[in-house]
Amino acid sequence: SQTIHQWPATLVQPVGSPLSLECTVEGTSNPNLYWYRQAAGRGLQLLFYSVGIGQISSEVPQNLSASRPQDRQFILSSKKLLLSDSGFYLCAWSVRTANTGELFFGEGSRLTVL
Amino acid sequence: AQKITQTQPGMFVQEKEAVTLDCTYDTSDQSYGLFWYKQPSSGEMIFLIYQGSYDEQNATEGRYSLNFQKARKSANLVISASQLGDSAMYFCAMREGPPGVYTGANSKLTFGKGITLSVRP
Repeated sequence: SQTIHQWPATLVQPVGSPLSLECTVEGTSNPNLYWYRQAAGRGLQLLFYSVGIGQISSEVPQNLSASRPQDRQFILSSKKLLLSDSGFYLCAWSVRTANTGELFFGEGSRLTVL
Repeated sequence: AQKITQTQPGMFVQEKEAVTLDCTYDTSDQSYGLFWYKQPSSGEMIFLIYQGSYDEQNATEGRYSLNFQKARKSANLVISASQLGDSAMYFCAMREGPPGVYTGANSKLTFGKGITLSVRP
């Protein structure tokens, strides 16, 4: 069966420090991959999605970036964190060909920028 | 304009009763999909139910059903026989574009802001 893991689960970082969140999917190949952010009490905002290695689509201009170095690995990065980057980050994957196209989410990474 | 609108304030329901969570959407596409997800306090996002724009019947999954009114652009989630474990945040989401192959913009889901449901014993 397919599983998705993301880490770290919790992160407290000072303003201006770098960030790296990692997400890995197991049990499938050629998945679509996504990074969403959920601010406190808010909905999910799509940050990046990828339909293949090296193919990254950015939805919101910001100081974050994403990379997909391997088929089932998706990394969210920042060179210098801002206070506004605090939130709950969710990685997700979907099957490229499917009847419905639902997303399957990881456990989330809670980032606090101080 | 927001693509997914969930405007209900926090919802409360008595255990074993039914509850309806509202969702309206906005799209100019003829082909699209609508989803509901549940987010417990742990933070995980759990897929509940899907409705395709061309599906003639309302989707059902166990205690969950989707009241799809295409002309009104609404996709309300109905939870029957509420349980204490149903207390969570619920998100409505939409995928625009035809189903089947997701290799571009039709691969992404747009989410609403969510509704908090509390089930009272």
